[in-house]
Amino acid sequence: KQEVTQIPAALSVPEGENLVLNCSFTDSAIYNLQWFRQDPGKGLTSLLLIQSSQREQTSGRLNASLDKSSGRSTLYIAASQPGDSATYLCAVRWYSSASKIIFGSGTRLSIRP
Amino acid sequence: GAGVSQSPSNKVTEKGKDVELRCDPISGHTALYWYRQSLGQGLEFLIYFQGNSAPDKSGLPSDRFSAERTGGSVSTLTIQRTQQEDSAVYLCASSSYDRDYEQYFGPGTRLTVT
Repeated sequence: KQEVTQIPAALSVPEGENLVLNCSFTDSAIYNLQWFRQDPGKGLTSLLLIQSSQREQTSGRLNASLDKSSGRSTLYIAASQPGDSATYLCAVRWYSSASKIIFGSGTRLSIRP
Repeated sequence: GAGVSQSPSNKVTEKGKDVELRCDPISGHTALYWYRQSLGQGLEFLIYFQGNSAPDKSGLPSDRFSAERTGGSVSTLTIQRTQQEDSAVYLCASSSYDRDYEQYFGPGTRLTVT
């Protein structure tokens, strides 16, 4: 069964810290993996998309890595700011079911000023 | 349009009524997805369209749920005889092959069944 897991469910850190959010998935034959942020009461905003052939993607203070063999992706946030507070979701698309994307349950991140 | 739009943004309906939710994807995006997000829960895949056809309807929770897409653009999700457990935020996303199927989401429709 294809599953996506995000641990921890919630994380609180002081402003300025670097932090890592984790996403793990079963079945390494993924097509791509996408990281999103969701602010309360809002839709999802795409942060980074990593294709199966890629090891990492960077955008500003964000860096996402992909290790298919271990079934893991990490989202690294550098120099965290209160505006980074949101829920972060990862979503995986597999080759075997390319039309269906499975989301993790998210990590709720709170950055303390 | 500049992004994915959904309407209405909020819908309150009585149990047993039918509702229609609309999604207008990004122009030119061939793929369209519907998801449901219940309070405090993750996203639940409902249905996927490629053009006007729906090759994957596996996520629809019951036969009260249906969706269609016309002209390869706007999609409507219909829920018949709504139940209280249908209360959730319904999110739509679109993507295209030339952007590696990166998904772009609309703001969602918050459905409350009383």
